[in-house]
Amino acid sequence: GPKVLQIPSHQIIDMGQMVTLNCDPVSNHLYFYWYKQILGQQMEFLVNFYNGKVMEKSKLFKDQFSVERPDGSYFTLKIQPTALEDSAVYFCASSLGDRGDTQYFGPGTRLLVL
Amino acid sequence: GQQVQQSPSSLVLQEGENAELQCNFSSTATQLQWFYQSPGGSLVSLLSNPSGTKHTGRLTSTTVTKERRSSLHISSSQTTDSGTYLCAPHQGGSAKLIFGEGTKLTVSS
Repeated sequence: GPKVLQIPSHQIIDMGQMVTLNCDPVSNHLYFYWYKQILGQQMEFLVNFYNGKVMEKSKLFKDQFSVERPDGSYFTLKIQPTALEDSAVYFCASSLGDRGDTQYFGPGTRLLVL
Repeated sequence: GQQVQQSPSSLVLQEGENAELQCNFSSTATQLQWFYQSPGGSLVSLLSNPSGTKHTGRLTSTTVTKERRSSLHISSSQTTDSGTYLCAPHQGGSAKLIFGEGTKLTVSS
């Protein structure tokens, strides 16, 4: 099936630093998502993005978070500054349409904030 | 918002037995996806099934939209099926998926 790629697969950084997580979505998809899963906990929605704009975000999407997809390149999640509670696996997803369409997920980026 | 309940929370089977996983959700969903999450954490999309019955390989999903429930049947389970199965309907009026806590399946040989 369609593949979503995420770079890097793992990232370890010190608290307070900036981190950028990269997602290469399915090539013709228009809607992009980030989800967060803390170890041993449920997967939770962070944000979705379409046509250069944040369409919807959850309360987990703090002010320190931002997303963008400049010129059709990677869809990125930036956290600046990072906090200990940001340690989690971040999954990127993409879909062709929005509410009725299948979302395809990447393998996740495991972020550890020390 | 959408609430998702999966049952059972865990299930232990002998290889070759069948598994029946249930998902109940509180609001109408225009899409519902089933995922497999490996013990290592990687996520695999199994099926998209907002209504009716769908088959792929040893998997059968049946979603009854009006009753806000979906099931996933795994036939002839294998040890490699061990992991966590997640149900995720869309939040009504939204594109986001709401995930359940999952059913942890353990298949022993």
